[in-house]
Amino acid sequence: GQSLEQPSEVTAVEGAIVQINCTYQTSGFYGLSWYQQHDGGAPTFLSYNALDGLEETGRFSSFLSRSDSYGYLLLQELQMKDSASYFCAAPWSTGFQKLVFGTGTRLLVSP
Amino acid sequence: EPEVTQTPSHQVTQMGQEVILRCVPISNHLYFYWYRQILGQKVEFLVSFYNNEISEKSEIFDDQFSVERPDGSNFTLKIRSTKLEDSAMYFCASRGQATNTEAFFGQGTRLTVV
Repeated sequence: GQSLEQPSEVTAVEGAIVQINCTYQTSGFYGLSWYQQHDGGAPTFLSYNALDGLEETGRFSSFLSRSDSYGYLLLQELQMKDSASYFCAAPWSTGFQKLVFGTGTRLLVSP
Repeated sequence: EPEVTQTPSHQVTQMGQEVILRCVPISNHLYFYWYRQILGQKVEFLVSFYNNEISEKSEIFDDQFSVERPDGSNFTLKIRSTKLEDSAMYFCASRGQATNTEAFFGQGTRLTVV
């Protein structure tokens, strides 16, 4: 089967660092993406890891370990506007014809 | 900045009626998708479309669903006979070349079946 599991909710304060984990089970795997979704909005792409290791994009970093079937999104210097749902997602076929989303993590940032 | 547009933003329909949800993907993109999201739940894959045919579909995408790209710009999702459980937000997405990993999502159509 194809499943990606995430914690349902994470809370943090402004200026803090938070890590959102994603564990996956799959019979085929091509990499891990992260998307952000504000309430009532569309998912927007944040990052993609094709290889093991850390990818940094500004305040956001994403990490992948294929051997552990695990990845995480790291958000630094949290801002109130970072309050949103975050989804990991994985393409489950060559050519990215099927992008499967994780269960989603709701991040609440407080002052 | 190019974007994926969807119409209508909200559709209310009676159970058993047919609905067509419309999407205009980004013009030079080659891969098109429909997803749905029941309120408070995860984004679920429905179908992908490439080279004028379905390339992948999920178990949700049964005979009641169909997709079309009728005129080279629009990409539609039809639900033939809506059920209460079809109530959800439906997102269209598109992607550029095969090596592009980023999918661009529209703002969604909220479908309410009553």
